[in-house]
Amino acid sequence: DQQVKQNSPSLSVQEGRISILNCDYTNSMFDYFLWYKKYPAEGPTFLISISSIKDKNEDGRFTVFLNKSAKHLSLHIVPSQPGDSAVYFCAASSKAAGNKLTFGGGTRVLVKP
Amino acid sequence: DAGVIQSPRHEVTEMGQEVTLRCKPISGHNSLFWYRQTMMRGLELLIYFNNNVPIDDSGMPEDRFSAKMPNASFSTLKIQPSEPRDSAVYFCASSLAHRANYGYTFGSGTRLTVV
Repeated sequence: DQQVKQNSPSLSVQEGRISILNCDYTNSMFDYFLWYKKYPAEGPTFLISISSIKDKNEDGRFTVFLNKSAKHLSLHIVPSQPGDSAVYFCAASSKAAGNKLTFGGGTRVLVKP
Repeated sequence: DAGVIQSPRHEVTEMGQEVTLRCKPISGHNSLFWYRQTMMRGLELLIYFNNNVPIDDSGMPEDRFSAKMPNASFSTLKIQPSEPRDSAVYFCASSLAHRANYGYTFGSGTRLTVV
């Protein structure tokens, strides 16, 4: 049972345009959501997070949106840069589960110059 | 700080052999996690420790897998006997338990190939 799903395995976008990555979850107990970025041969690195009490969090070119009623979150990257080409994982946690992270399957983003 | 250190980076072994993966967490972090990444299942949590104590091992696939954390600065994940389906990238991550929502720090992973 996948509690966190990223239905798009890959995304290709032109440099300078917006990248939109989507993530759906099923567990209503999740109260914190995170995005990680992963380059080949490296471990995932933390990118941005959002608490369930908010619906938006922004950090530079990265914005995460949370729609609790739809159990959906998205990551917007504006403008996209070639260095953003990587695999992006969304993750969710709940205090009830000891804050362990449950990850989605990842979306591979390719930003074309 | 050198970050989370995993060894070896790559491991190729024959089916039936014992494999031991090692992890040194960030000094001061009191939570440690072992994840496995495969094409089919993405990143899945195998086991995690708080203050060296295993808290949740429900993700450990079978009895062939075991993990230990003898002290705050070292953990091992052992597979005995190994099978080809165990081939994956294994990640170790650490965090401060009360700041887990600020994200884990992952190591670079161990790519395991069982032939």
